[in-house]
Amino acid sequence: AQTVTQSQPEMSVQEAETVTLSCTYDTSESDYYLFWYKQPPSRQMILVIRQEAYKQQNATENRFSVNFQKAAKSFSLKISDSQLGDAAMYFCAYYGGSQGNLIFGKGTKLSVKP
Amino acid sequence: GAVVSQHPSRVICKSGTSVKIECRSLDFQATTMFWYRQFPKQSLMLMATSNEGSKATYEQGVEKDKFLINHASLTLSTLTVTSAHPEDSSFYICSAGGGPYEQYFGPGTRLTVT
Repeated sequence: AQTVTQSQPEMSVQEAETVTLSCTYDTSESDYYLFWYKQPPSRQMILVIRQEAYKQQNATENRFSVNFQKAAKSFSLKISDSQLGDAAMYFCAYYGGSQGNLIFGKGTKLSVKP
Repeated sequence: GAVVSQHPSRVICKSGTSVKIECRSLDFQATTMFWYRQFPKQSLMLMATSNEGSKATYEQGVEKDKFLINHASLTLSTLTVTSAHPEDSSFYICSAGGGPYEQYFGPGTRLTVT
């Protein structure tokens, strides 16, 4: 079975600084997708970034980028120029296609200090 | 982007009663919808996969007679919590779509059973 592990329950970053959230996963599938979702206090899940496993190039979305290490099964999220609005729970998620649903890690609570 | 709504956003019910939560895809058709449950400060756990026109597939440990799912149309899935008890109090989130580019989340429903 696929698993997703986030080893950092909480992280803190100073406004305008950079922070990296860690995620590792386990799978025997060769074709899969990885995601980072943001869940603010409103509880609405917001897609931050998506990475296709078949792509070697790391995905980037404005201030958000990932470091995808397929062999190491590692998928970290880097947030540059952190803003107060980035404060939220961040979930790493795996999609393998055989079921169609997402498998989530336990989440990392990110605080941004002004 | 695609919009998924949930109704109600909050509900309080008495122990022993049943409550229905609706999940609607507003501007697209969804043959597959997923129901997740999220306890405070925890991750999203898949409860069941809802397929239009067929029986839902429940995850191990989820009582199908307690959490009734009906996906009667391509835009509506309902989750009915029958004979609710305080331990059923949680945040319930649905998502519509079944592909890696089609994971659209509803805003969630907070259920409190007194």
